[in-house]
Amino acid sequence: DAGITQSPRHKVTETGTPVTLRCHQTENHRYMYWYRQDPGHGLRLIHYSYGVKDTDKGEVSDGYSVSRSKTEDFLLTLESATSSQTSVYFCAISEGGQRKNEKLFFGSGTQLSVL
Amino acid sequence: AQSVTQLDSQVPVFEEAPVELRCNYSSSVSVYLFWYVQYPNQGLQLLLKYLSGSTLVKGINGFEAEFNKSQTSFHLRKPSVHISDTAEYFCAVSGTSYDKVIFGPGTSLSVIP
Repeated sequence: DAGITQSPRHKVTETGTPVTLRCHQTENHRYMYWYRQDPGHGLRLIHYSYGVKDTDKGEVSDGYSVSRSKTEDFLLTLESATSSQTSVYFCAISEGGQRKNEKLFFGSGTQLSVL
Repeated sequence: AQSVTQLDSQVPVFEEAPVELRCNYSSSVSVYLFWYVQYPNQGLQLLLKYLSGSTLVKGINGFEAEFNKSQTSFHLRKPSVHISDTAEYFCAVSGTSYDKVIFGPGTSLSVIP
């Protein structure tokens, strides 16, 4: 298994509070992604990073911010959580260069509930 | 931009029967195509991929898929399913020079004993 750790695994929070999810990798892969998984929508890309301090938006970036200060860590922050952000969040990584999209490795996910 | 359609949200099939999960994509550029599988309470793992070359690709656990450029399809097949194949299956697409991988909504395969 690829060395990807997501924390926390489960989180319950209240509307309006800030939440930070962490993705840690030990593979030294260049690309890191945050997806959310919702019934009927599959996986939707929130943000991704192609290097330290290099990030870009995905399909559903509103309400989310990210940071990557080290190769191994990619943080997803919900500045003010809303009930619509209740979801399962997956981190993924891939190699860079020409092989950047050949295979994604996924973490085990974070179940977030916003009450 | 790319997009992916999976026409069947749920597919029930009896054990040892064949199965086909359908996937269609849209893109204005050359693409890579993927099938990922998600077993209950787990993350996704790559089942198979088409990058170039032969349009028939084989993956793990006896699955295969065929790339059809004229029909913009990448359907997944298995000649005989097992109970252990019960899972969610996601088709995905990426432009060959793009950073993003876009996933379809998923198909839930239920294998009935």
